[in-house]
Amino acid sequence: ETGVTQTPRHLVMGMTNKKSLKCEQHLGHNAMYWYKQSAKKPLELMFVYSLEERVENNSVPSRFSPECPNSSHLFLHLHTLQPEDSALYLCASSQDRTTVYEQYFGPGTRLTVT
Amino acid sequence: AQSVTQLDSHVSVSEGTPVLLRCNYSSSYSPSLFWYVQHPNKGLQLLLKYTSAATLVKGINGFEAEFKKSETSFHLTKPSAHMSDAAEYFCVVTAFSGGYNKLIFGAGTRLAVHP
Repeated sequence: ETGVTQTPRHLVMGMTNKKSLKCEQHLGHNAMYWYKQSAKKPLELMFVYSLEERVENNSVPSRFSPECPNSSHLFLHLHTLQPEDSALYLCASSQDRTTVYEQYFGPGTRLTVT
Repeated sequence: AQSVTQLDSHVSVSEGTPVLLRCNYSSSYSPSLFWYVQHPNKGLQLLLKYTSAATLVKGINGFEAEFKKSETSFHLTKPSAHMSDAAEYFCVVTAFSGGYNKLIFGAGTRLAVHP
């Protein structure tokens, strides 16, 4: 595997379910990110992790819970979601969080909340 | 504050004709700028980047962009469109805030290529 991978690619869940999104980067990077991409809205940064430490939480509701067990893996735990949380969730990584390096994106998880 | 404005939400061209996707930026310091492309049901792929070196930046798949400080623009061009170029394109400026570099995305331009 190369680059940034995400699983699952598609997820349908009810509002009372609990599920997790997984991201893995094979680039040796030190920073990882979660973004939300909704229709007709700019990409929204949700969380930033640097060397497994959460650096930023952009006022994201607590029904989204990130976890970064090591610099290669990032999870987004989901529980009691709302229909408006349906979106494409993108994971990205960069070499580090302070230098101007481009971010590399995974293919995303298309989440539908019913 | 850093921001980007993509001047067209949709652009339609014929195959073999030039492509121009327009982006203006606002920055309180010398910016770094990127163009990303997103094909349907895919993640974002970096097309090219400007980080204060040459003002004309060449990217993948024949795309290039020119940084014009006087016009605060970073337009994306390609001499001849191909059907596979149909996608959404995002202009991005970086901003350093809260101890890290963040990407500020434009709203996107959807490029359609017709035979």
